[in-house]
Amino acid sequence: DAKTTQPPSMDCAEGRAANLPCNHSTISGNEYVYWYRQIHSQGPQYIIHGLKNNETNEMASLIITEDRKSSTLILPHATLRDTAVYYCIVRTPQGNDKIIFGKGTRLHILP
Amino acid sequence: GAVVSQHPSWVICKSGTSVKIECRSLDFQATTMFWYRQFPKQSLMLMATSNEGSKATYEQGVEKDKFLINHASLTLSTLTVTSAHPEDSSFYICSATNSNTEAFFGQGTRLTVV
Repeated sequence: DAKTTQPPSMDCAEGRAANLPCNHSTISGNEYVYWYRQIHSQGPQYIIHGLKNNETNEMASLIITEDRKSSTLILPHATLRDTAVYYCIVRTPQGNDKIIFGKGTRLHILP
Repeated sequence: GAVVSQHPSWVICKSGTSVKIECRSLDFQATTMFWYRQFPKQSLMLMATSNEGSKATYEQGVEKDKFLINHASLTLSTLTVTSAHPEDSSFYICSATNSNTEAFFGQGTRLTVV
């Protein structure tokens, strides 16, 4: 079973920041938080991951709370192409650790 | 990011026939590959985990004799759906990873059994 809970859907106006929350209250000390997104009829795309510090890359920022029980993915300037289902996953970085998907958040970017 | 390629992107087959789906990691060696199935409006469901050179580990409820997985090299894994039936119609997705990289996903294969 997935170890994360996310809101089923969210709307965000184009050009604004999209903030997607994720709860992972049972996360273990050696587990990272990963974010992927899936655009319709495509395979999931890796976005970002982190352990306990905030992370930023060219796609997004990841804010992890100090107790690591929740996190927020931030898309700083959402565009229509960011419309997708976003999945928050916790796992160890070991290659053979399973990647279990929850239901994700369907993000609608509104023009 | 790294590139994982699936082939074919879509396939239509007759009921009772077998279909093979290939998953290739193009620019890194994948010690582990995962296979998923996704039905419309649902999330990805993990079917099996395969490590190079070893037998695949199947998730509960997934028939290993129906979904044959081979991971004979560090860049290729195959999923064969044997004796396919209409209820096997789905979107099949592979993922490749090793101990040094996050997992990357193929673009998916849409299987329609008629």
